[in-house]
Amino acid sequence: KAGVTQTPRYLIKTRGQQVTLSCSPISGHRSVSWYQQTPGQGLQFLFEYFSETQRNKGNFPGRFSGRQFSNSRSEMNVSTLELGDSALYLCASSPPSEGTDTQYFGPGTRLTVL
Amino acid sequence: QKEVEQNSGPLSVPEGAIASLNCTYSDRGSQSFFWYRQYSGKSPELIMSIYSNGDKEDGRFTAQLNKASQYVSLLIRDSQPSDSATYLCAVKNYGQNFVFGPGTRLSVLP
Repeated sequence: KAGVTQTPRYLIKTRGQQVTLSCSPISGHRSVSWYQQTPGQGLQFLFEYFSETQRNKGNFPGRFSGRQFSNSRSEMNVSTLELGDSALYLCASSPPSEGTDTQYFGPGTRLTVL
Repeated sequence: QKEVEQNSGPLSVPEGAIASLNCTYSDRGSQSFFWYRQYSGKSPELIMSIYSNGDKEDGRFTAQLNKASQYVSLLIRDSQPSDSATYLCAVKNYGQNFVFGPGTRLSVLP
């Protein structure tokens, strides 16, 4: 079974621009979560989607948004980029069983904001 | 604010020794506990999950959970240089998001 895939793997943007990142979960997984990882703040939760609905949201400004499509693929968007948005953005998917809550991470998208 | 705490390290152990990684959490209602390994420049990789008090063993890895003390640990027996990585503790309450600790950097010296 193929793992979680994320595109693009690397991205360089300038301040003020916007960016869209994509995540395809493991086949059969319906829950997708997004995280931001920086050396100073560690792994921070952005949001979780399940069956096209946002189920949980972290403490990030409204510039960070996401959505999930009917095939469970998810996108996150960051508008008006700031230097501090430079980070590794990770997507994780979970199997449909509520009993396990296990998450499997994709390779991440490394975003650099200049 | 739900928190997960870990010693940042680095924790250095000689090859063949037991590495002990610790994690404490603040949300007493947490039900699911996970250990992830993250190599430099890579994404986190699930090592173990544990849901009940006590020990759970998987190969060289043993996870220990004590909900009364709000404490979870990971033991790595016969540590190898390839175990050198950052180990992330993650905690989850039902219906809520995962909360990750800052990670402990482990260095296994040949």
